[in-house]
Amino acid sequence: DIQMTQSPSSLSASVGDRVTITCQANQDITNYLNWYQQKPGKAPKLLIYDASNLETGVPSRFSGSGSGTDFSFTISSLQPEDVATYFCQQYDTLPPTFGPGTKVDIK
Amino acid sequence: QVQLVQSGAEVRKPGASVKVSCKASGYTFISYNINWVRQATGQGLEWMGWMNPNSGNTGYAQKFQGRVTMTRNPSISTAYLELSSLRSEDTAVYYCARDKFTISGVVIFDYWGQGTLVTVSS
Repeated sequence: DIQMTQSPSSLSASVGDRVTITCQANQDITNYLNWYQQKPGKAPKLLIYDASNLETGVPSRFSGSGSGTDFSFTISSLQPEDVATYFCQQYDTLPPTFGPGTKVDIK
Repeated sequence: QVQLVQSGAEVRKPGASVKVSCKASGYTFISYNINWVRQATGQGLEWMGWMNPNSGNTGYAQKFQGRVTMTRNPSISTAYLELSSLRSEDTAVYYCARDKFTISGVVIFDYWGQGTLVTVSS
C-alpha cells in the first residue's frame, strides 16, 4: 500500500493567517491526491481533488498544489470555521490511502 | 440534494456480525460507486472497499477479505456493509461515501453518510 505522511500533525494559527500543510507519498502518485476537512463528530468533506481542483461550493481561500510525491494544501486566510482536521488521500493505486491528518486550531 | 443516510449505532459481542445500511437520495443510485471507510476513535481513515450499485461488483481491501460483504438493493437505493467475526479492534465509525465520478479507478469521495458507530464489546 502507498504510505501517506502529513506535516505538521497539528498547528495553531491566528485568524487571517496563511496556513500550509504538506502531504508526501512514498511513491509517485501523479496528481491523484485529494484533500478533506473533518470537523469533530462529522463526516469528512471533500475540498480539493486531483491535487489542485477546488470542489464546487468550497471557499476560494482553500487551495492545493503539487505532483509526484510532494503536495501542499493552503488556507490563505484562516477563519474560525476552518478549525478541523485535514486529511490527504491518494488514489493512484488501490487501496486508496489517507494521511494521518493535520489538526488546525485557532491561536 | 445528494444525501447518504446511514442506519443507527450498533453494539455487538466479539465474533458476531453487523450490517450497516446507507440510503441514497438526490441522484441516480446505480450511477455512482459506493465506498465504505471506517475511522476508529481519534484515529485516521481506512478504506474498506467499493461496490458498483448497478452491477453489484465489489472490490475489497485485502485486510478485510473474507470478513466483509458489500451489497445493495437498487429498488430502495440502499447499500449495505456487513462485517463478520467482529473483534474489539473493529470498534469504529463506519462511513459510506460516494465516488464523485463514474470513471473506473477514480476514487474521489464527494458525498459521505453521517457515520454509524459500531461498538464491539463483551
